[in-house]
Amino acid sequence: EDQVTQSPEALRLQEGESSSLNCSYTVSGLRGLFWYRQDPGKGPEFLFTLYSAGEEKEKERLKATLTKKESFLHITAPKPEDSATYLCAVQALYGQNFVFGPGTRLSVLP
Amino acid sequence: EAQVTQNPRYLITVTGKKLTVTCSQNMNHEYMSWYRQDPGLGLRQIYYSMNVEVTDKGDVPEGYKVSRKEKRNFPLILESPSPNQTSLYFCASSRRTERDTQYFGPGTRLTVL
Repeated sequence: EDQVTQSPEALRLQEGESSSLNCSYTVSGLRGLFWYRQDPGKGPEFLFTLYSAGEEKEKERLKATLTKKESFLHITAPKPEDSATYLCAVQALYGQNFVFGPGTRLSVLP
Repeated sequence: EAQVTQNPRYLITVTGKKLTVTCSQNMNHEYMSWYRQDPGLGLRQIYYSMNVEVTDKGDVPEGYKVSRKEKRNFPLILESPSPNQTSLYFCASSRRTERDTQYFGPGTRLTVL
């Protein structure tokens, strides 16, 4: 059974304090790993897709990396507007459905 | 404006009273999907549809029905809601060739008493 876990459950950072979020996954052949951002009361917003180990993607202060067992979302010099819940999801190579992790709730304090 | 819309946004109902949550997208997307989100469990896929008249079960389909008669609409039907279906529901859509870039609706908060 495909599974996704995320850690930590919650993270509080000071503005400018860089850190990383972890997404560990078990899947029978990975088609893709996805990162989403979700603000309170809203639907998830797509950030990145990673397809193979060693791949990296960047967007502003965010950088996502992928290994064969986990993915990291690195946040460099975060700002208060980066506060949100970050969701990780996987899709198996021969499946059509998506499996999401429980998310990491990030708070960036000014 | 490209968007996914859901109605209603909030709904309180009683056990056993049939209800439908509508989902519509204006991006001509082939792929549509329904999720429920519960604290500590994350998003779980209920049903998805690859195109008109093509639907399939996700991870938690029990107690739900869907239909895809038109490309833009993908309603979620609860024929006999129960309290364990109290949750936050999201509809999403994407191009079939870009299934990873899903666009999510604003959510429907359902409470079943």
